[in-house]
Amino acid sequence: ETGVTQTPRHLVMGMTNKKSLKCEQHLGHNAMYWYKQSAKKPLELMFVYNFKEQTENNSVPSRFSPECPNSSHLFLHLHTLQPEDSALYLCASSQGGGGTEYGYTFGSGTRLTVV
Amino acid sequence: QKEVEQDPGPLSVPEGAIVSLNCTYSNSAFQYFMWYRQYSRKGPELLMYTYSSGNKEDGRFTAQVDKSSKYISLFIRDSQPSDSATYLCAPQTGANNLFFGTGTRLTVIP
Repeated sequence: ETGVTQTPRHLVMGMTNKKSLKCEQHLGHNAMYWYKQSAKKPLELMFVYNFKEQTENNSVPSRFSPECPNSSHLFLHLHTLQPEDSALYLCASSQGGGGTEYGYTFGSGTRLTVV
Repeated sequence: QKEVEQDPGPLSVPEGAIVSLNCTYSNSAFQYFMWYRQYSRKGPELLMYTYSSGNKEDGRFTAQVDKSSKYISLFIRDSQPSDSATYLCAPQTGANNLFFGTGTRLTVIP
């Protein structure tokens, strides 16, 4: 298991449900990210948080709502999703600020299926 | 034009073969070049990191960057079944955001 833990690992939800994805890191990093990974597509950056402040929202629909209560925890709240939102959602963390040989540390992801 | 282009494969090779994985990119501001490896049902993990142009070797892996042609390569020598994974190139500007390729799925057949 990496230093970034994501729960749940799998989630099936209906289009009218509300659910949340959780991410936790104990690496002392100050930046956290949400990515969406779909088949045959590059990883899509969704949100970036630096020191608990959202610094980037990459034109993500409002049915995805992030929350970062502290530098170690990141949530993604989901409501009224569409079937095309089915994907692997990855959380990552980094020490932040500029290029670094350590890159990002990713969690194992949450496999989301919207039915 | 996409920021990063990568052939998604799949690529199958026999054990012991030399593997060449490649990406092209369009943004001249990229200065840092990373390769991530992603095993099935896992998140990506950093495999190699290179700053600017040149080569970097780490065991059986060699990362190569040619900024003049905007071309990134990863070579795997003496490939092993344990190398079977998806490999993602990820160039980065001086800011903190990585740009990922689609990933190339590699299978090394024993």
